[in-house]
Amino acid sequence: EVQLVESGGGLVKPGGSLRLSCAASGFTFSTYNINWVRQAPGKGLEWVSSIDSSSSYIYYADSVRGRFSISRDNARNSLYLQMNSLRAEDTAVYYCVRCNSWYEYDYWGQGTLVTVSS
Amino acid sequence: SYEVTQPLSVSVALGQTAKITCGGYNIGSKNVHWYQQRPGQAPVLVIYRDTNRPSGIPERFSGSNSGNTATLTINRAQAGDEADYYCQVWDSSTGHVVFGGGTKLTVL
Repeated sequence: EVQLVESGGGLVKPGGSLRLSCAASGFTFSTYNINWVRQAPGKGLEWVSSIDSSSSYIYYADSVRGRFSISRDNARNSLYLQMNSLRAEDTAVYYCVRCNSWYEYDYWGQGTLVTVSS
Repeated sequence: SYEVTQPLSVSVALGQTAKITCGGYNIGSKNVHWYQQRPGQAPVLVIYRDTNRPSGIPERFSGSNSGNTATLTINRAQAGDEADYYCQVWDSSTGHVVFGGGTKLTVL
């Protein structure tokens, strides 16, 4: 069974940092592109970042470029999102999602809540 | 950057057909995917690559994509279909993923 389990969310002050993790199981992690998608309270889905299977191609949404950094450890079947200089508008549930052949997201984690507030 | 637009809300009578649109410039040349999100839950893929249903998704769900509009069609709408629906594309020119703003489906 494919599973994606996020962790690391919590309450952080504006300007602070947080590192999210995503533990994958049930599939060959090293062969898939994995993305982060977030959803602010009561709002729609927003793509955050993507990383290909070998970490050769990395992309960021304009709203987080320069502040967030995505990485992965294929030996540990894990994905990470280092978030710096956090702002109130970064408050959201962050989902780890598996990206399939046509860039569709076929599996989603349960999400981890990040709250940026003083 | 590429943008896609969805209606904020769509209503459908129980048992009737609901159509949710996703508009974008020449979207017919892109692969469009659709997600259903019920309150408090993670999104679920219901249509991928315009017309394909993942296993476990009822045949009542179908998709089409041509010109500047992609459409998710839900036949014989049920109360359980009430949810937010999102379209999504990948912009190959930037490597970015784009979501529509979401459509709230109400089954009357």
